Amino acid sequence: DAGVIQSPRHEVTEMGQEVTLRCKPISGHDYLFWYRQTMMRGLELLIYFNNNVPIDDSGMPEDRFSAKMPNASFSTLKIQPSEPRDSAVYFCASSFFGNEQFFGPGTRLTVL
Amino acid sequence: AQTVTQSQPEMSVQEAETVTLSCTYDTSENNYYLFWYKQPPSRQMILVIRQEAYKQQNATENRFSVNFQKAAKSFSLKISDSQLGDTAMYFCAFQGAQKLVFGQGTRLTINP
Repeated sequence: DAGVIQSPRHEVTEMGQEVTLRCKPISGHDYLFWYRQTMMRGLELLIYFNNNVPIDDSGMPEDRFSAKMPNASFSTLKIQPSEPRDSAVYFCASSFFGNEQFFGPGTRLTVL
Repeated sequence: AQTVTQSQPEMSVQEAETVTLSCTYDTSENNYYLFWYKQPPSRQMILVIRQEAYKQQNATENRFSVNFQKAAKSFSLKISDSQLGDTAMYFCAFQGAQKLVFGQGTRLTINP
């Protein structure tokens, strides 16, 4: 298996623009997680899905952030409009039946 | 809410030495998992070792082992015969009901 796939690996955008981050989980995994990593706050869980259904979005910072999982093999995290404080590394992870999570390579987002 | 504390922001040892990274956590749950993840400069999150709380036996994976003290809520990682490739950030993580909570990390440097 190719592991968790994220795209793009790097994204540079200007304040106010819409940003869409993409994730393909490991085939057969039924949980998908989105995390954000910053120097100040460390690794934070933003939202997670089980069988494509959002279970807990309490970590989503504000309404500018939204996440979807239209099918078992694809998820998006969207920021609209983006702000400089959104600059971070965003990780997607997946797991099977709540076991250990496998992380993607991350997307480094820079908002100018 | 669960919290995870790593009290050593940075550590540095010589190649081939043994090093122990500390982690404590706080929870009222009885069934949970504990993990150590490694994040090298490539920023990929790599699972190093996992421990189920119901198991008394400490987990081992080659040169990596843990000292799990459930009553003390302590979960330290020992790296034996350290190698240059072990240089990375190490994160302790707690998983109760699906959600992973991470510590702030320990930056480990292995010197030649």
